[in-house]
Amino acid sequence: AQRVTQPEKLLSVFKGAPVELKCNYSYSGSPELFWYVQYSRQRLQLLLRHISRESIKGFTADLNKGETSFHLKKPFAQEEDSAMYYCALRINMFSGGYNKLIFGAGTRLAVHP
Amino acid sequence: DTAVSQTPKYLVTQMGNDKSIKCEQNLGHDTMYWYKQDSKKFLKIMFSYNNKELIINETVPNRFSPKSPDKAHLNLHINSLELGDSAVYFCASSQVAGAYGYTFGSGTRLTVV
Repeated sequence: AQRVTQPEKLLSVFKGAPVELKCNYSYSGSPELFWYVQYSRQRLQLLLRHISRESIKGFTADLNKGETSFHLKKPFAQEEDSAMYYCALRINMFSGGYNKLIFGAGTRLAVHP
Repeated sequence: DTAVSQTPKYLVTQMGNDKSIKCEQNLGHDTMYWYKQDSKKFLKIMFSYNNKELIINETVPNRFSPKSPDKAHLNLHINSLELGDSAVYFCASSQVAGAYGYTFGSGTRLTVV
């Protein structure tokens, strides 16, 4: 079954502390994973794609196929990082390139001063 | 210069009514989607259209009918609204392959009373 699991509903840290938001996936095909961020009552914004291996706002994420994980990390959390974070897996539907994103349940990150 | 725009932003209506949500994208993307975010913040795909053609229908009740007059627009019409339809509905778009992820609209908060 295709599934994205984010085990933590809430992650609460102090400013300056390291952050790791966990994401595990289940998919028989070649996985393509994303992290999206949703600030309070705003649209979802793409944060990272595993393919690009970039660092955005200090966040990084590495795809670990052995552990089927794509954890999001930041060494020093800032108050403005407080938001809802979603891990997403792109599922190829059939030929033609059609696909859909399936999301984990999300983790709320709360960074306290 | 909004990339994916939805109207209205808020919608409060009574049970049994019929309502529509409109979505437009100016990114030149081929594919558009509707996602539902429930009260627990869980995101689930409802529909996907590619160049005005229905690609994905995720076992959504028949009361929900998407319409795509052209590839830049995907509207959602809901008949006989029920309390359980209360949610935030997000429109999104992508290129067919979706390798760069999806661009989301700001959402429509639907409240059925």
